[in-house]
Amino acid sequence: DTEVTQTPKHLVMGMTNKKSLKCEQHMGHRAMYWYKQKAKKPPELMFVYSYEKLSINESVPSRFSPECPNSSLLNLHLHALQPEDSALYLCASSQVEAGGQETQYFGPGTRLLVL
Amino acid sequence: QKEVEQNSGPLSVPEGAIASLNCTYSDRGSQSFFWYRQYSGKSPELIMFIYSNGDKEDGRFTAQLNKASQYVSLLIRDSQPSDSATYLCAVGGTGRRALTFGSGTRLQVQP
Repeated sequence: DTEVTQTPKHLVMGMTNKKSLKCEQHMGHRAMYWYKQKAKKPPELMFVYSYEKLSINESVPSRFSPECPNSSLLNLHLHALQPEDSALYLCASSQVEAGGQETQYFGPGTRLLVL
Repeated sequence: QKEVEQNSGPLSVPEGAIASLNCTYSDRGSQSFFWYRQYSGKSPELIMFIYSNGDKEDGRFTAQLNKASQYVSLLIRDSQPSDSATYLCAVGGTGRRALTFGSGTRLQVQP
């Protein structure tokens, strides 16, 4: 089973709103990720959590705030977003394969529209 | 120079043909290589991963890796219209859990 779930599927928010995106996996994966994907572009890495600790922050603006409450959950808190932040937000988690490499599996994504 | 390069396409093949998707990468230290399929409006779905030089087959899909040439490819045999999607090549390095994605190749399989 390689299922990563994300809620909500769609989100519309104003520039003054505060909202959160949620991601969950129950596969025992030790790393979880947030990506942002604009139309016709590849996913761009935002954050990586390894063993529930933030290990990579790709210079993301502070209006995006990640949180990893436990090894199965990953949140992305949104505040004072701009219309250009509208995108598909993808969560992924990774497991170690037999050869020692890590393979990332993506959730279905949250499509965010900022008005 | 982009770190991972793919031809954006579209690559158009007739149903039943072999589709060949190619990817080159610049970091010689790269150790893991992935192909994801992404339908319009959906999230990327892992199709294949390969770590060693040579070929790896899974059903109709074959991934090929040549580290000396810094080249990875995906062959899709007996292409079906349902294979029409964007195929993302992703490369993993060492020391960090992050992938570098190519810009994707759009594949169209004509019935």
